[in-house]
Amino acid sequence: NAGVTQTPKFQVLKTGQSMTLQCAQDMNHNSMYWYRQDPGMGLRLIYYSASEGTTDKGEVPNGYNVSRLNKREFSLRLESAAPSQTSVYFCASRGTGIGGNQPQHFGDGTRLSIL
Amino acid sequence: AQKVTQAQTEISVVEKEDVTLDCVYETRDTTYYLFWYKQPPSGELVFLIRRNSFDEQNEISGRYSWNFQKSTSSFNFTITASQVVDSAVYFCALKAAGNMLTFGGGTRLMVKP
Repeated sequence: NAGVTQTPKFQVLKTGQSMTLQCAQDMNHNSMYWYRQDPGMGLRLIYYSASEGTTDKGEVPNGYNVSRLNKREFSLRLESAAPSQTSVYFCASRGTGIGGNQPQHFGDGTRLSIL
Repeated sequence: AQKVTQAQTEISVVEKEDVTLDCVYETRDTTYYLFWYKQPPSGELVFLIRRNSFDEQNEISGRYSWNFQKSTSSFNFTITASQVVDSAVYFCALKAAGNMLTFGGGTRLMVKP
């Protein structure tokens, strides 16, 4: 089972370059999320999409844009990368179901370094 | 506002020891959900358990057990007879109203042989 797939797994950028991180899920989930993980800070939500056609800001949205292309895909774009955006980026998806809130399922992460 | 605190940034134990990872949360909502995730050295995040605010029953799954106490706003995680493969970063997370999941800073557990 593929689950949540992120590409690329690693990327090095120069300051000012642009980059789109791709995420796709095959679980027919409605909600999708982008997080960044920095040392000692856990995961912080950048943007999320509760359903196809909607996106909302999370805790740290500045410097990022997102697109919910369809139900499966949710991309994260850095228009002008900055060294402060060096991080590990995780995409997640969550379905709705009986029994309350379902857990989020995570991709393997994208390690992004900006020089 | 929601907040999750994992006060232990790093714990080191010797194999077969029991270890408890602490998680304290803050929320004003009466309905909420708590989660634990494991992040092994390979980097992926693995879901371990979900608990809703109306269910204070403790749960045991093999060597893992969870103690949820609303009175102290805590959702602690105990590994019994730890093994080297338990070495990972463990995250506690809270979801209350809305769509956001708030993570604690994580506890790095090192189990030495």
